[in-house]
This record gives sequence, C-alpha cells and structure tokens, in this order.
Amino acid sequence: NAGVTQTPKFQVLKTGQSMTLQCAQDMNHNSMYWYRQDPGMGLRLIYYSASEGTTDKGEVPNGYNVSRLNKREFSLRLESAAPSQTSVYFCASSEVDSGFTDTQYFGPGTRLTVL
Amino acid sequence: QQQVKQSPQSLIVQKGGISIINCAYENTAFDYFPWYQQFPGKGPALLIAIRPDVSEKKEGRFTISFNKSAKQFSLHIMDSQPGDSATYFCAASMRQTGANNLFFGTGTRLTVIP
Repeated sequence: NAGVTQTPKFQVLKTGQSMTLQCAQDMNHNSMYWYRQDPGMGLRLIYYSASEGTTDKGEVPNGYNVSRLNKREFSLRLESAAPSQTSVYFCASSEVDSGFTDTQYFGPGTRLTVL
Repeated sequence: QQQVKQSPQSLIVQKGGISIINCAYENTAFDYFPWYQQFPGKGPALLIAIRPDVSEKKEGRFTISFNKSAKQFSLHIMDSQPGDSATYFCAASMRQTGANNLFFGTGTRLTVIP
C-alpha cells in the first residue's frame, strides 16, 4: 500500500517549456488535490477533483491545467512554465464521508525549478 | 488574502517544554480545523483535528484548543521532544459536496533543543 505517489521527484525547466506532474493513489479515494508550497506562504490549492470526471479551480489555478485520468490518477500540467512557478508541488487525496475525519493524505512532493 | 493566519513563524523550545502555536480565521463557515506536521523533504501528515462543536481535543501529548467566539485555535505540544522538530501547519475547511478544500496557515518551524 504505497499511499500517494508522485513523479518526478525533481525537475528543472527552462522558461516556456511544458511538463506534466503525475500523481496516483491506491487508497480508492474519490477526491484528489494539487497544492503548491512556497516559503512563507504555506500550501495553496491549485486544482481539485471531487470525484472521477470532475475538476475545479482552487486558490491559484492560473498557468495550470489538470486531468483526472481515472479514479487513481490526477495529473497537473504546466503548458508554458514561468519562474514564478518554481515551487514544491504536492498531490493529496481524501475520502469525504459523513464521519468526523476528512483526512487528506499527501504525496512526497515534486520540487520544480523554472529557470 | 490569507484565510488562516498562523503565528509564530518559528519557535525554539527546550526539551520537556510546552510548544504553543496559534491560528486565527475569519470565515465562520469553516467547520473542520486540522493540524498537519511536515518533516524536511516529506509531505504534510495529519497530526490532530477538531470540529467547532468542542473546545478541546487531546491525543497523547498534542492538544487543540478551540475558541469559536474568538475564531481562534491553537496547538499545544506537551513535553516537547527533539523528534517533534518539524514545521506545523494549521488549516481550515468547510464541507462541500465531495471535497474538503483546505486553507492552510503559513506554517511554524518548531525546533526542540535537547
């Protein structure tokens, strides 16, 4: 049971290049999320998918696109990378139910540098 | 605009001491307040969480105190240990259909000195 996995772990891009960050979870969760983490800013939600087939914008969606490929996989795409997108990107998943806990489980992160 | 304000930015505590981290929010629609712990190079992991119908929740050495009228909540770490050295994030969310989007504080880097 690997939980949430992300690839790649590290990436360096030049301004204007594109790339896709991959995320997969094996916990059969319905909801998946993409966050970015910047020093002094905490984590900010980029996009989320409440269930397979749906995606919605979070706090900071500009410059990103997402695809919920199936229940397990949720990818984040940078079409034309900019230095302002240098960050650590985290994927998370959760199962929202009627109970108390809405725990989000995070992956190990992708460290992206845009030159 | 930061929906959840967190302080202090950094905290140094002696082993055995009490670590206290504070958070405040404005949106009264928030109904779930978790704390996440993050070690260097790792993703955040849920530490403890509370809903606003109770004023305190304790799990081992970790306690959340919640003040609904003041819209504030805090994390207390009793008998702090060097292994507790990490960055702590408070967060808040409101239940939406099928997802619980978290709004995070800016984080507190805790260092526990042996």
